[in-house]
Amino acid sequence: KQEVTQIPAALSVPEGENLVLNCSFTDSAIYNLQWFRQDPGKGLTSLLLIQSSQREQTSGRLNASLDKSSGRSTLYIAASQPGDSATYLCAVIKLGNRDDKIIFGKGTRLHILP
Amino acid sequence: DAGVIQSPRHEVTEMGQEVTLRCKPISGHDYLFWYRQTMMRGLELLIYFNNNVPIDDSGMPEDRFSAKMPNASFSTLKIQPSEPRDSAVYFCASSLSVDFQETQYFGPGTRLLVL
Repeated sequence: KQEVTQIPAALSVPEGENLVLNCSFTDSAIYNLQWFRQDPGKGLTSLLLIQSSQREQTSGRLNASLDKSSGRSTLYIAASQPGDSATYLCAVIKLGNRDDKIIFGKGTRLHILP
Repeated sequence: DAGVIQSPRHEVTEMGQEVTLRCKPISGHDYLFWYRQTMMRGLELLIYFNNNVPIDDSGMPEDRFSAKMPNASFSTLKIQPSEPRDSAVYFCASSLSVDFQETQYFGPGTRLLVL
């Protein structure tokens, strides 16, 4: 069964620094991978979606990479701002398997220090 | 569009009672998803619909859970009878066509506490 791990569980970084969030998965036969942001008491907001045939996606200060062979994805945030403070979750999607459709990591709680 | 709408936002009930959670997806979205989030298990997909038809309910934990989508603009998740271990935040999400390839838009969630 697919397992998705995000380490560290929490991270504090001074404002302005660049940072990398990690996501690893055990089954490389994925359809796509998504990164989400969750603010306290809110639902998830989709940040980036990477198809299995792609290596990376970029949106503004965010860049997500995907290495299926090693079972890893990273979310790079450039020039961090206090508004980036949130929990970031990655999710891997595998088609054709009823029990393994979409699996989320438990997230990394990011705190940007002003 | 107002986004995905869920009601109620908070629900406190006693063990054994029936709980009904409601969701209105974004107009025009063909897919609707129900998720549950707990500290222990994280975010889990319970069931999803395509054009009002349940496609995959393998994530529904027990027969006490049921979900319906009578029309394109409304879905319910029902727990009967409820138990304390059902306490969680329940999210509804919707997306355009194509299975998990399009961005999902999440509602604000319903925080359920079963005493």
